[in-house]
Amino acid sequence: QSALTQPASVSGSPGQSITISCTGARSDVGSFKLVSWFQQHPGKAPRLIISDVTQRPSGVSDRFSGSRSGDTASLTVSGLQAEDEADYYCCAYEHHSASLLFGGGTKLTVL
Amino acid sequence: QVQLVESGGGVVQPGGSLTLSCAASGFSVNFYSFHWVRQAPGKGLEWVAVITMDGKNTYYTDSVKGRFTISRDTSKNTVFLQMNSLRRDDSALYFCTRVEGTVTSLAHWGPGTLVSVSS
Repeated sequence: QSALTQPASVSGSPGQSITISCTGARSDVGSFKLVSWFQQHPGKAPRLIISDVTQRPSGVSDRFSGSRSGDTASLTVSGLQAEDEADYYCCAYEHHSASLLFGGGTKLTVL
Repeated sequence: QVQLVESGGGVVQPGGSLTLSCAASGFSVNFYSFHWVRQAPGKGLEWVAVITMDGKNTYYTDSVKGRFTISRDTSKNTVFLQMNSLRRDDSALYFCTRVEGTVTSLAHWGPGTLVSVSS
């Protein structure tokens, strides 16, 4: 049960776009459509912002989008705003062990 | 509205036990799968365990297998995490989460309860 790989940090200026990658394996990120992304502000519980690779739950800004290519999923945040500064985690289902794997988290800084 | 509230955390010595509770309101636990996810201080999220919607299947991360048990009591509308043989690296904020849709769609989270394993 190895964690998924994310960059430790990314940054961008207001209005710009950034992309966070999440690399796994064929048995997790690369299989089915069971990849989610979570946003976590300091001292708060995580919040689901993308499910099933590309789906935005109700109430989530359309500035957040998800995609996948092979064993790597990506989260793109467009039109960066100060409130987007947070930690972001990917999560995928690993079907051999019927477990969930999280990425190590990426700290997004809005300059 | 959907609400999850964890309780039962605290300070415990290595080798000790704790049982965490996750009280649900606004819906019945009968109809959803639940996960426990933990976060050590200053660290990332780590998946711990899941109980499926029918309550019949449970799965665990390798490091807690044989020590932790996830269960639910539909009469109390509550999900539990029984933790035995606690180790220092089990120290973390433990979140209860409810699935909405597919297994990784952890749409609802409680505020968490803090477990500290220390002598």
